[in-house]
Amino acid sequence: ETGVTQSPTHLIKTRGQQVTLRCSSQSGHNTVSWYQQALGQGPQFIFQYYREEENGRGNFPPRFSGLQFPNYSSELNVNALELDDSALYLCASSLGGGTGNTGELFFGEGSRLTVL
Amino acid sequence: ELKVEQNPLFLSMQEGKNYTIYCNYSTTSDRLYWYRQDPGKSLESLFVLLSNGAVKQEGRLMASLDTKARLSTLHITAAVHDLSATYFCAVDGTNFGNEKLTFGTGTRLTIIP
Repeated sequence: ETGVTQSPTHLIKTRGQQVTLRCSSQSGHNTVSWYQQALGQGPQFIFQYYREEENGRGNFPPRFSGLQFPNYSSELNVNALELDDSALYLCASSLGGGTGNTGELFFGEGSRLTVL
Repeated sequence: ELKVEQNPLFLSMQEGKNYTIYCNYSTTSDRLYWYRQDPGKSLESLFVLLSNGAVKQEGRLMASLDTKARLSTLHITAAVHDLSATYFCAVDGTNFGNEKLTFGTGTRLTIIP
């Protein structure tokens, strides 16, 4: 069974640039969630994709956007990067489907973004 | 807005001692999760607690959930150095298993030999 994989692992961008982060979900999982973890903080929910549709969004501006593909992999796009966007971006996959499941998330290793 | 608070934020303890990490949350939920994070690494799932009174144990760690008090505890027994990490609790505020979690700020645990 393949776990959640993310790429790239590290990247450096400058203010105003755009970035795309990628995530492959764990085998059998149809739901992908993205979280932002600033240094010394807990992860914060950005949004979730279920069957290629956005299925909930946290308190993040529209310049944070995403996609989910038919194979359930996902991308996170951030436009007009700001210094405060520097963080570890975590992708998590899960079974989806509501109350029948435990709701447990399985996280990838993350993509560490530095904005200069 | 759901708030999840952990205490203490930092904990330094000697090997062999017992201690408890507390997780309080502000809204009704019976779905609570504990994760471990090593420095520079991702989150590892430790426990899934899905009902009032749920208790789970794995090795030297035991987690419990009291949904009436909106409180979960993570108890460490006879700590060993390998348990040094940051521990997060996370709550599903929707309580519908929608897998959108609100995390606490974490407890950074350091075990001193």
